[in-house]
Amino acid sequence: AQKVTQAQTEISVVEKEDVTLDCVYETRDTTYYLFWYKQPPSGELVFLIRRNSFDEQNEISGRYSWNFQKSTSSFNFTITASQVVDSAVYFCALSEARGGKLIFGQGTELSVKP
Amino acid sequence: GAGVSQSPSNKVTEKGKDVELRCDPISGHTALYWYRQSLGQGLEFLIYFQGNSAPDKSGLPSDRFSAERTGGSVSTLTIQRTQQEDSAVYLCASSLASSGGQEKLFFGSGTQLSVL
Repeated sequence: AQKVTQAQTEISVVEKEDVTLDCVYETRDTTYYLFWYKQPPSGELVFLIRRNSFDEQNEISGRYSWNFQKSTSSFNFTITASQVVDSAVYFCALSEARGGKLIFGQGTELSVKP
Repeated sequence: GAGVSQSPSNKVTEKGKDVELRCDPISGHTALYWYRQSLGQGLEFLIYFQGNSAPDKSGLPSDRFSAERTGGSVSTLTIQRTQQEDSAVYLCASSLASSGGQEKLFFGSGTQLSVL
């Protein structure tokens, strides 16, 4: 069965600190996709990134970076030099190649204080 | 429209009443999903549609919950005889397709349901 675990329910940092959000997943499939979504206070979830199970290259996009490690079934998300606008709930999610539903973790609420 | 549209944005109802929640997906998106987000909880999958068919209804909590989609577009989620535990934000999402698993989902702003 698929499962996504985000052990950190809440994180609070001061602006300009780096912060890493952890995500651990479980699946029996060899082909699958991992996602991160951001839910700002306005409520609408926004797609951030998608990785497939065959591509373990780390990715950097501006202040955001993602570390995918199949050996530990983890897909962690780091924000460098955090800003107040990064305050949101961040969700990690998993889908399998046969399609269908996206399974979400419980989310990590990030609060960045000025 | 440009994005996924859900209505109403807020719904307050009395216990035991039926409610209907509506979702208008992005034009051309064949896959449509319903999720539920309770206070402080993650996103709980309810059902998804590929076209007008629902290959996976496994997340519907009870037979009081049903959903349909017509014309491969608009979907309605119906909750009969609402209970207080049904109070949550109901989120709808759409994607180009659900096959393959790699499509990103576009979410609406949700319907906040409060059952008194």
